[in-house]
Amino acid sequence: GQSLEQPSEVTAVEGAIVQINCTYQTSGFYGLSWYQQHDGGAPTFLSYNALDGLEETGRFSSFLSRSDSYGYLLLQELQMKDSASYFCAVRGGSGGYQKVTFGTGTKLQVIP
Amino acid sequence: DGGITQSPKYLFRKEGQNVTLSCEQNLNHDAMYWYRQDPGQGLRLIYYSQIVNDFQKGDIAEGYSVSREKKESFPLTVTSAQKNPTAFYLCASRPGPSADTQYFGPGTRLTVL
Repeated sequence: GQSLEQPSEVTAVEGAIVQINCTYQTSGFYGLSWYQQHDGGAPTFLSYNALDGLEETGRFSSFLSRSDSYGYLLLQELQMKDSASYFCAVRGGSGGYQKVTFGTGTKLQVIP
Repeated sequence: DGGITQSPKYLFRKEGQNVTLSCEQNLNHDAMYWYRQDPGQGLRLIYYSQIVNDFQKGDIAEGYSVSREKKESFPLTVTSAQKNPTAFYLCASRPGPSADTQYFGPGTRLTVL
């Protein structure tokens, strides 16, 4: 099967930088994605890595190391609206390349 | 506008009744997914479908059933066999084999009384 681990909660100050880590175990790997979910809402896509390295999208960056089965999401210049839950998700595994499994999520609280 | 719709937003049912949640997409996406989310928890995969008339069990399929008779539609039935059906249900779709972005519907919050 597949499993993903993330910290359950992170608190950071407005304007600062925060890193949310994700480690995964999967029998087949096609990519690691990150999603943001505000309370009561639906998840929205942030970033995706299929190959090792850093992907940058505005204030958000995502990193992947396939050899370490590890990735992280980096949020820069934190804003109050960034307070939300962040999920990593891995595509692949025994269910094939279309199966997408999510981590348990990291609740980010941005404080003034 | 293109997107994914789920209806209704809130649903109440009595224990022992089957209930079907709707999911429709007009994005022309091949793959569709159903997830369950409990308070403060992550998303757990119930079922997914890669193509019309084909679907696979996810990690928590027991007590649920699906159908994929049309590309646009992927309804989920929560049966009376599901022990704890009260949850937030999210439907998602993905464009194709190499795409990694999942697009989510607004979700249905099911409460079983």
